[in-house]
Amino acid sequence: LAKTTQPISMDSYEGQEVNITCSHNNIATNDYITWYQQFPSQGPRFIIQGYKTKVTNEVASLFIPADRKSSTLSLPRVSLSDTAVYYCLVGAPGNQGGKLIFGQGTELSVKP
Amino acid sequence: SAVISQKPSRDICQRGTSLTIQCQVDSQVTMMFWYRQQPGQSLTLIATANQGSEATYESGFVIDKFPISRPNLTFSTLTVSNMSPEDSSIYLCSALLRYGTLYEQYFGPGTRLTVT
Repeated sequence: LAKTTQPISMDSYEGQEVNITCSHNNIATNDYITWYQQFPSQGPRFIIQGYKTKVTNEVASLFIPADRKSSTLSLPRVSLSDTAVYYCLVGAPGNQGGKLIFGQGTELSVKP
Repeated sequence: SAVISQKPSRDICQRGTSLTIQCQVDSQVTMMFWYRQQPGQSLTLIATANQGSEATYESGFVIDKFPISRPNLTFSTLTVSNMSPEDSSIYLCSALLRYGTLYEQYFGPGTRLTVT
């Protein structure tokens, strides 16, 4: 499974756009990139998943360059409630037993 | 989507005893997983529990310490055996759902275990 590297922490202010970049140099052809959000005392929650180029949903956007060795989660106009830990995961759920290996995550702190 | 519940939500146990954590999914799923999370740390995968087969354990985790049952497609249990204070942690179960080419893993709220 590909190893991921992301910043340990980030600070932002309400209303700003936040971009969290994850490096995954050893990503395999079949791997997808998935981001999860975790609030204190809760289980992680799926945010977005992509394979290449750009994916957007109602919560975030995911940008993946052509070489797929990194990805950027973009959170538009963050609010205080976006303060959480964000995990970038790389894997092929259908082909590798489905298991997700979590890296260290990025602790995002949104200030008023 | 899927809703996952866990019982108990928290417990305080004495060393040397065992605790069984239950995980219920509101839909049928093939793959379920058990994770452990220390406070302030990331999640560590304990094992994969597929219905109809033995659980597959990750390095550092053994069946004698963490026996797992998967009797049907909506339920699983994890037992933490012969507990010591080092087992104090949050234990989370999760289930993998597939929507076409999209795979989403849903997590339960976790069971906070304290061993004294």
